[in-house]
Amino acid sequence: AQKITQTQPGMFVQEKEAVTLDCTYDTSDPSYGLFWYKQPSSGEMIFLIYQGSYDQQNATEGRYSLNFQKARKSANLVISASQLGDSAMYFCAMRENQAGTALIFGKGTTLSVSS
Amino acid sequence: ETGVTQSPTHLIKTRGQQVTLRCSSQSGHNTVSWYQQALGQGPQFIFQYYREEENGRGNFPPRFSGLQFPNYSSELNVNALELDDSALYLCASSLRRGTGIHNEQFFGPGTRLTVL
Repeated sequence: AQKITQTQPGMFVQEKEAVTLDCTYDTSDPSYGLFWYKQPSSGEMIFLIYQGSYDQQNATEGRYSLNFQKARKSANLVISASQLGDSAMYFCAMRENQAGTALIFGKGTTLSVSS
Repeated sequence: ETGVTQSPTHLIKTRGQQVTLRCSSQSGHNTVSWYQQALGQGPQFIFQYYREEENGRGNFPPRFSGLQFPNYSSELNVNALELDDSALYLCASSLRRGTGIHNEQFFGPGTRLTVL
């Protein structure tokens, strides 16, 4: 079974609109962390936001927020007020405490923002 | 920019050859991870080095090997290159603290390897 599932290969949104990128995960480890990264066409992975499994509140970083639903094992990324520069690939990733330090990535979602 | 640099930017090799990719960590970071990202896929964990020792390895054969130097820079070596090794190779550095769950990894721009 895949550890990280991103079911949306591509998403399209207009400037200033909000968009939600889906991510579900699978783990039996009670201690884990969830990450979202942005990858522009240049290739560099840019860290966006982090959510720990024991965090009581949903993480927020500027225009990014993480809708963490632990019972459903989902960690959706919400981008508010989309900008043209948000067009990129977005990856959800997980690190399990028992598995060490590796990040496990999903296949990604391509976000296209139009004016 | 993350302060993590990789060289070279692009590389073309032929099947059976050997390649060395290099990574300079962000200042103060003691941990380096390497990932392989095939076209259209998410990155896959190859291995990680912490204080010059391998500290975790993904599902990659032994022909993928690495080194970390006292200044925390790192090399990824791949022997007997195969066509499927064509990918973007990403290096990420981090400062290991506690259990490491929240250790943010800072990625370099990657090296795009093409094997013909």
